[in-house]
Amino acid sequence: KQEVTQIPAALSVPEGENLVLNCSFTDSAIYNLQWFRQDPGKGLTSLLLIQSSQREQTSGRLNASLDKSSGRSTLYIAASQPGDSATYLCAVRRSSTLGRLYFGRGTQLTVWP
Amino acid sequence: DTAVSQTPKYLVTQMGNDKSIKCEQNLGHDTMYWYKQDSKKFLKIMFSYNNKELIINETVPNRFSPKSPDKAHLNLHINSLELGDSAVYFCASGDGEKLFFGSGTQLSVL
Repeated sequence: KQEVTQIPAALSVPEGENLVLNCSFTDSAIYNLQWFRQDPGKGLTSLLLIQSSQREQTSGRLNASLDKSSGRSTLYIAASQPGDSATYLCAVRRSSTLGRLYFGRGTQLTVWP
Repeated sequence: DTAVSQTPKYLVTQMGNDKSIKCEQNLGHDTMYWYKQDSKKFLKIMFSYNNKELIINETVPNRFSPKSPDKAHLNLHINSLELGDSAVYFCASGDGEKLFFGSGTQLSVL
């Protein structure tokens, strides 16, 4: 069974810092990996999706990397802003497009001005 | 235009009651999901439908019954509600790659 772990559980940084969120998974046989953002009282928003054959994806100030063999992914946020404050969740999909997603418990990020 | 909409946003009810949560997506996706987020924010899949067919049915009490009248709708009916059912329930739809989530239904069972 796939287990997804995210470290740290919470992170508080001043505005402008570059930061790294970590995600690890136990079964490297994944189809893809997604990073989501969840704001309080809201649903999840997909940030980046990395296919199992890819090493990284970038969107604006966000960069996600994937090392499938070691079961790890990182989400790098450059020049953090208070608007980045949210919970960031990592999810891995196994086997196929219809395979289930396994979620980590998230990293709660606070960026203070 | 909301891509995945679910109603109601809040649901407060007594133990033993039966309630439904509705979900609709206008993205044209074939696959829809129900997820449960517990008090510790852990998200776990409950059900998945592809073109109105059940494809994922996690270990969920049979008091929970999903219904998909068409591929744009996936409703969740819960019988005989229990205190432990209190959680946030998220509907989602997918194109086989990314998932798009509704804003959640916070269910409180008293």
